[in-house]
Amino acid sequence: NAGVTQTPKFQVLKTGQSMTLQCAQDMNHNSMYWYRQDPGMGLRLIYYSASEGTTDKGEVPNGYNVSRLNKREFSLRLESAAPSQTSVYFCATYPLAKANTGELFFGEGSRLTVL
Amino acid sequence: GNSVTQMEGPVTLSEEAFLTINCTYTATGYPSLFWYVQYPGEGLQLLLKATKADDKGSNKGFEATYRKETTSFHLEKGSVQVSDSAVYFCALSGANSKLTFGKGITLSVRP
Repeated sequence: NAGVTQTPKFQVLKTGQSMTLQCAQDMNHNSMYWYRQDPGMGLRLIYYSASEGTTDKGEVPNGYNVSRLNKREFSLRLESAAPSQTSVYFCATYPLAKANTGELFFGEGSRLTVL
Repeated sequence: GNSVTQMEGPVTLSEEAFLTINCTYTATGYPSLFWYVQYPGEGLQLLLKATKADDKGSNKGFEATYRKETTSFHLEKGSVQVSDSAVYFCALSGANSKLTFGKGITLSVRP
């Protein structure tokens, strides 16, 4: 039982290149999230998907796009990477969007460096 | 909007010392409160939670009490171990189960 799987785990890009971070879950959860973690900033929400077919912006969406391909998969795309997007990216899932008392389940993170 | 404020770090303690990590919050309504822990090289995992005022969450010797009157959720442990070395995040829940996190604090425990 893999839980939440993120790929790739590490990536180095040059400024202006594009890439997609993949997230897949096998827990049949409805909601999925993308966070970024930066030193001294904690975790900040980039985008989330309350259910299959819906996506919404979080706190720091600029420079990113997302796709909720199906219930299992939620991808994060950087169209033109910038050094400010150097970060560790976490995907997370939650069973039901309407409840607000449960825990998020996190992947192991994807470390992205933009030169 | 919602916000979470954690005490500044890092924190370095000797094994078996008492630990307190302060967390205060600002929120509309009655959010649930969480402590998450991140061990080196891993993602975050839930340590404990409290869903209403005066609730006490506990796990692995850690405790935190939801104090509505002081809008606080301080994390405590009576005797820390080297294996507790990690980054600790306080968080609260909002609409659509979106969590708002504090900045995190790094705890290092010396043998």
